[in-house]
Amino acid sequence: DAGVIQSPRHEVTEMGQEVTLRCKPISGHDYLFWYRQTMMRGLELLIYFNNNVPIDDSGMPEDRFSAKMPNASFSTLKIQPSEPRDSAVYFCASSYRASRTEAFFGQGTRLTVV
Amino acid sequence: GENVEQHPSTLSVQEGDSAVIKCTYSDSASNYFPWYKQELGKGPQLIIDIRSNVGEKKDQRIAVTLNKTAKHFSLHITETQPEDSAVYFCAASIAGGSYIPTFGRGTSLIVHP
Repeated sequence: DAGVIQSPRHEVTEMGQEVTLRCKPISGHDYLFWYRQTMMRGLELLIYFNNNVPIDDSGMPEDRFSAKMPNASFSTLKIQPSEPRDSAVYFCASSYRASRTEAFFGQGTRLTVV
Repeated sequence: GENVEQHPSTLSVQEGDSAVIKCTYSDSASNYFPWYKQELGKGPQLIIDIRSNVGEKKDQRIAVTLNKTAKHFSLHITETQPEDSAVYFCAASIAGGSYIPTFGRGTSLIVHP
């Protein structure tokens, strides 16, 4: 397996624009996590899914953020409208609860909102 | 919920020295403690983990210790090498339970040649 795949790797957008980040988890994994990483706050869990169902979105900072997982192999994190303070690295991770509790991270998307 | 504190935030050592990173957790139900290494431009990767039924685990130059009573666990790297330079994260979770890992803030380890 190629691991968790995120796209794009880098995104630069203007304030007010919609941004969509994409994630393909490892095949067979039943948990998917979205994290945001900043210098100030470290790794923050935004939302996680189990078997494609959102379980806890209490980490989503505002209504401007939304996440979907239409099937087991794809998830999106959308920010609309984007703001400069949303600039961060966004990671997607997946895991298989039944076997191990290790989370496998993607390479991340570096988002810059100008 | 779980709270994980990690220290120090930055650690600078000379090549060949040892490095120790410490974490504390708050939820006594946590029983799985992974450590992740994040290299520049990459996502965190698991390097070692420990479960609450053991007190220590080693893998070559890396070791982790766990003190359940005090609710703290540590990462020890011996004979550090420049390629050990990275950000290290500790985490705590409940394997088989709520499961979701809570991460520490990270330690930036710099190994000087």
